Amino acid sequence: QKEVEQNSGPLSVPEGAIASLNCTYSDRGSQSFFWYRQYSGKSPELIMSIYSNGDKEDGRFTAQLNKASQYVSLLIRDSQPSDSATYLCAVGVQGAQKLVFGQGTRLTINP
Amino acid sequence: DAMVIQNPRYQVTQFGKPVTLSCSQTLNHNVMYWYQQKSSQAPKLLFHYYDKDFNNEADTPDNFQSRRPNTSFCFLDIRSPGLGDAAMYLCATSRDPPDTQYFGPGTRLTVL
Repeated sequence: QKEVEQNSGPLSVPEGAIASLNCTYSDRGSQSFFWYRQYSGKSPELIMSIYSNGDKEDGRFTAQLNKASQYVSLLIRDSQPSDSATYLCAVGVQGAQKLVFGQGTRLTINP
Repeated sequence: DAMVIQNPRYQVTQFGKPVTLSCSQTLNHNVMYWYQQKSSQAPKLLFHYYDKDFNNEADTPDNFQSRRPNTSFCFLDIRSPGLGDAAMYLCATSRDPPDTQYFGPGTRLTVL
């Protein structure tokens, strides 16, 4: 069983709509959660981090965490073609020195 | 600006010819990571240094080695590159794991 699971997509969303990206994790000791965006041929860049249950908003991005359900999501409002990328979910476990990455969801925003 | 720098950005080597990739950071972070990423796959952690302590992943081939001579620099050595080692190699740093990792731009390795 994979430790961090994401739907690989591709997820296709029309421009201006809300894109919803989901991630589940298996380790209940997980304490830190991250969303990275990766454009083709580029390195991952941090979009959001979240540590507590609930929502965290930053501009058009909202991260949602539900530790009881072991679920973290990323919402992108007013999606733009420039949001087309692969989104990686990463989870940090208490006491570990590394993050566990999901396989990524490829998102395409259609003009 | 504080950052993670990788050199070179593109590296071409011949089958079996040793190659060294470089990573430097101005963030003064304790931990430096090396990842291998192949097309359409998630980054795969090879190893990391927490200060001077080296931590190898169980499935990292012996062909891959690393050195961290000081806080700022970390090197990835591939002793005898095979065609299957062609990939993007990513360096990342973290101040207080398992917290945020900051990635360098990556080095694209081609093996001929």
